[in-house]
Amino acid sequence: AQRVTQPEKLLSVFKGAPVELKCNYSYSGSPELFWYVQYSRQRLQLLLRHISRESIKGFTADLNKGETSFHLKKPFAQEEDSAMYYCALLANSNYQLIWGAGTKLIIKP
Amino acid sequence: DVKVTQSSRYLVKRTGEKVFLECVQDMDHENMFWYRQDPGLGLRLIYFSYDVKMKEKGDIPEGYSVSREKKERFSLILESASTNQTSMYLCASSLGGLTDTQYFGPGTRLTVL
Repeated sequence: AQRVTQPEKLLSVFKGAPVELKCNYSYSGSPELFWYVQYSRQRLQLLLRHISRESIKGFTADLNKGETSFHLKKPFAQEEDSAMYYCALLANSNYQLIWGAGTKLIIKP
Repeated sequence: DVKVTQSSRYLVKRTGEKVFLECVQDMDHENMFWYRQDPGLGLRLIYFSYDVKMKEKGDIPEGYSVSREKKERFSLILESASTNQTSMYLCASSLGGLTDTQYFGPGTRLTVL
C-alpha cells in the first residue's frame, strides 16, 4: 500500500536548535517525494522536492531508500520556520500525490 | 507568479443544500485539483482534472462532483451538503506533467450546519 507517515503531529524546538521533521513512506516503485509548507494565514506551497537536491530556506531532505525515509532537516531553526509541514509522495501509477498528516513545527524564542 | 483563487474564504451552509466552490487559475495550467484538508488526516484528493471537460476521481469522491468547462476554472459541487463535509477545501493547479509542482489557492473553510 502507498502511504506517507509523519509520526509527529507537533514538534517544538528552541530557536537556534537543529530541527528534523520525520517522513517515512511505503511505496513499491521509485518514489518522488516532496515537502510542502503552510505558514500561518498563507497558502500551502512547495518547499522542496528530492529530485532537485537543493536547500531551500536552509532546509534539506535526503531520500533514504533503505530506510524509506525523507526527513526534513535544518541545522539552526528560526522563528519564521514555524509552520505546518507536509510530506508527499508522487505515485507514478496514477500521478497522484499521497500526503502525510502533517507536522506542526513551533519554534520557541 | 502563479495565482490560484477560490471564490470564498469562508462559507456556511445548511444540511441538504447544494454548494458550489469555484477555483480559478491564471497561468494556463493543464491540471487542477480539489483536496480537503482535515487535522490529523493531511490532504485528501477529491477529484482532479487534466484537461477541459476531463475529470478523474481521487481518494474520496463520494458526495462530490466537479466541472471543468473552461481551462482556467474548476468547480467543486456538493450535491447535498452534509455535516461530515465540514472542512477546509483547497484547490491546486499544475502546469503540464502531472509531476509538476502544485500551486495552491488560499482555501475555503466550509461549515455545514
